[in-house]
Amino acid sequence: AQSVTQLGSHVSVSEGALVLLRCNYSSSVPPYLFWYVQYPNQGLQLLLKYTTGATLVKGINGFEAEFKKSETSFHLTKPSAHMSDAAEYFCAVRRGSDSNYQLIWGAGTKLIIKP
Amino acid sequence: DTGVSQNPRHKITKRGQNVTFRCDPISEHNRLYWYRQTLGQGPEFLTYFQNEAQLEKSRLLSDRFSAERPKGSFSTLEIQRTEQGDSAMYLCASSSGEQYFGPGTRLTVT
Repeated sequence: AQSVTQLGSHVSVSEGALVLLRCNYSSSVPPYLFWYVQYPNQGLQLLLKYTTGATLVKGINGFEAEFKKSETSFHLTKPSAHMSDAAEYFCAVRRGSDSNYQLIWGAGTKLIIKP
Repeated sequence: DTGVSQNPRHKITKRGQNVTFRCDPISEHNRLYWYRQTLGQGPEFLTYFQNEAQLEKSRLLSDRFSAERPKGSFSTLEIQRTEQGDSAMYLCASSSGEQYFGPGTRLTVT
């Protein structure tokens, strides 16, 4: 069965500092992994995804994530935080096939940006 | 296309009342999902449609919950005899590959 663990319900960084949000997964099959962002009172927006191939995945808004099979991790990073990055971030793993799948979600990490 | 829309955005109801939410997916998407999200948690899968067929339902979806997608376009989620524990954000997503989410309906049961 697939599952996702996000370490840290809140992460606080200074504006301009490195952002690192941690995600570890459990999957019995090669995983498809996703990061979504949720701004207050808005829906979830896809940041980036890993399916197969290149393990370093680039997404929107300057975010990227690296799939590390040996560590069962898919951590999200951004070199320099901006105030507009303040939001909640969710990691998810796909369960199922291309034609019928669900997303299994982590509990989320709230990113706080200090001026 | 303006994306996935959900109505209402907020609903306050008294315990025991019935509520219905609507989701309008992106028009060319044949798959539609409902999730529930409580404070401090990630979304939890409730149910999934491919066109008008409801293909999967979570055990979270008790007998008080019913979802429909009558013509394979919009979908409704009804909760009968609401309980305080039903208070949550109800999210809809549509997909023809990636899942695109609506803004959600926040339900408060008093």
